[in-house]
Amino acid sequence: SQQGEEDPQALSIQEGENATMNCSYKTSINNLQWYRQNSGRGLVHLILIRSNEREKHSGRLRVTLDTSKKSSSLLITASRAADTASYFCATAAGSQGNLIFGKGTKLSVKP
Amino acid sequence: NAGVTQTPKFQVLKTGQSMTLQCAQDMNHEYMSWYRQDPGMGLRLIHYSVGAGITDQGEVPNGYNVSRSTTEDFPLRLLSAAPSQTSVYFCASSGGTYNEKLFFGSGTQLSVL
Repeated sequence: SQQGEEDPQALSIQEGENATMNCSYKTSINNLQWYRQNSGRGLVHLILIRSNEREKHSGRLRVTLDTSKKSSSLLITASRAADTASYFCATAAGSQGNLIFGKGTKLSVKP
Repeated sequence: NAGVTQTPKFQVLKTGQSMTLQCAQDMNHEYMSWYRQDPGMGLRLIHYSVGAGITDQGEVPNGYNVSRSTTEDFPLRLLSAAPSQTSVYFCASSGGTYNEKLFFGSGTQLSVL
């Protein structure tokens, strides 16, 4: 399985601080995606980074991908209480591979 | 544009009962999938479909059945419910191929007693 594995499992920070979550995976990938899940809700797509990309930005989100280390990081800058959620990475191997999700990082942002 | 709609939101079943979880999308997406989410396990793929009339198994297909008669609908059937199927079920669709951006429904929380 090339399931991504997030680290840490849980993260608690104060509002205004930056939050960094990491994802490691096992095999070569086509792309890597990050999703957010608020409590009791469905997952929402945040960002997709392809295997030939090294960094991508979207608003306060910054994603990096290091294919040599088989790892990715998600940085949320200037966090807000509304960023409190679980964050999942998902990887896909090749054009025929379904997305496989990690177990997630639970982020708590305290006001 | 409702996106991906799942019904019901909650369901309680007795062991051995059967039921169908409904999933519909109005984005004309070819790819649809079902995941289950259990505490500490992340999301696991049950079944998926790349278009009407085409379905395939994911990581944990046992005890579940799917069909895809239209582009819009992708129902998940529990043939004989077991307590191990207590979980939250998510339907997702994509306008691209297998592994592009997924749009998720809001989930069905299922308890099997």
